Amino acid sequence: EPEVTQTPSHQVTQMGQEVILRCVPISNHLYFYWYRQILGQKVEFLVSFYNNEISEKSEIFDDQFSVERPDGSNFTLKIRSTKLEDSAMYFCASSDSRGEQPQHFGDGTRLSIL
Amino acid sequence: SQQGEEDPQALSIQEGENATMNCSYKTSINNLQWYRQNSGRGLVHLILIRSNEREKHSGRLRVTLDTSKKSSSLLITASRAADTASYFCAFSGYSTLTFGKGTMLLVSP
Repeated sequence: EPEVTQTPSHQVTQMGQEVILRCVPISNHLYFYWYRQILGQKVEFLVSFYNNEISEKSEIFDDQFSVERPDGSNFTLKIRSTKLEDSAMYFCASSDSRGEQPQHFGDGTRLSIL
Repeated sequence: SQQGEEDPQALSIQEGENATMNCSYKTSINNLQWYRQNSGRGLVHLILIRSNEREKHSGRLRVTLDTSKKSSSLLITASRAADTASYFCAFSGYSTLTFGKGTMLLVSP
């Protein structure tokens, strides 16, 4: 069964550094998402992406964050000037329609900011 | 906001017993989905129920939706140790998913 894959599985970064989290969505999916889960808390929506542009974003997704689909397979989340509170699990998801079908999640990247 | 709440927060049962988890939400939804998360892993989609549906089955899973009460329940029948995980409801309005806090289920052999 097709899977969403995320790399790296664990990223350790110094505060203030930039980090790029990578995702390969399921190949025929058109909608892409990033979520985060701070330890012990609920999964929170960050951003959705369709047709090479952001379709929705949450209040969390401020100017520090950006997303990109640099080629036909990868979907990236960039966090500029990381802060301690950015430490969390970051999940990528994809779906083949908007809101009507399940989203398929990767196993996440654990981001630790020191 | 479409805040969701599951209860109980934690549930401990023996293998073979049934597990019931509940979820409530506050605003109108397009559909409601249940996901499972094993420790340290991503979320696995279990079942989706649309706002015009009242009940749905998938294997040992049964989901109900009561839009008048803005609540849903997930029943896992004949539970197994491998069902041990956190279970989340997530509701979809336009396209994004809003997750609840989850129920941590422990099934003991």
